[in-house]
Amino acid sequence: EIVLTQSPATLSLSPGERATLSCGASQSVSSSYLAWYQQKPGLAPRLLIYDASSRATGIPDRFSGSGSGTDFTLTISRLEPEDFAVYYCQQYGSSPWTFGQGTKVEIK
Amino acid sequence: QVTLKESGPVLVKPTETLTLTCTVSGFSLSNARMGVSWIRQPPGKALEWLAHIFSNDEKSYSTSLKSRLTISKDTSKSQVVLTMTNMDPVDTATYYCARGYSYHTTWGQGTLVTVSS
Repeated sequence: EIVLTQSPATLSLSPGERATLSCGASQSVSSSYLAWYQQKPGLAPRLLIYDASSRATGIPDRFSGSGSGTDFTLTISRLEPEDFAVYYCQQYGSSPWTFGQGTKVEIK
Repeated sequence: QVTLKESGPVLVKPTETLTLTCTVSGFSLSNARMGVSWIRQPPGKALEWLAHIFSNDEKSYSTSLKSRLTISKDTSKSQVVLTMTNMDPVDTATYYCARGYSYHTTWGQGTLVTVSS
């Protein structure tokens, strides 16, 4: 089973700043089959990025994903007030699929 | 419009079996390259993937929970059912169903299940 480790656990930033979130895998993720989700309190997660770098429908271009193998990154180029939330990575390259433990992006 | 909605008991007793139903609309469970997952989230904690069923009825389960889980679908009713046996208080969580062949494009609102005597 692939274990995903997200860092940092919490990121304290101000609106307008750049956010860089990391997701490390215990084994190589096949074909870069990695997704990123955003979750706000009381709501279901929302798909942001799939296949490591493809933006989902309707996702602003300030969100970008990169990486391959065991190291992946989600970048938010300029934080908007609505971007403060928890972010999860998920691998679907090998069964069982797994999620990371999440990174909380909070207002500094 | 694609929607998913979870339903089931809000409270179960320890050792009981939980049965959750995900009713979908806006797509067919028989569509090629389609599937539905169940994912849960204990209060204040991270997401945990539980199980997935593909349109060809192939199934996949969480390694740690495999012995307790069964996923099935009724295409005619547009429903995916998850059963989890021998429930324990640590299974208290919001349970989500989500659509997708691999990554999850659309999620239900989730249903909170509490395990308590």
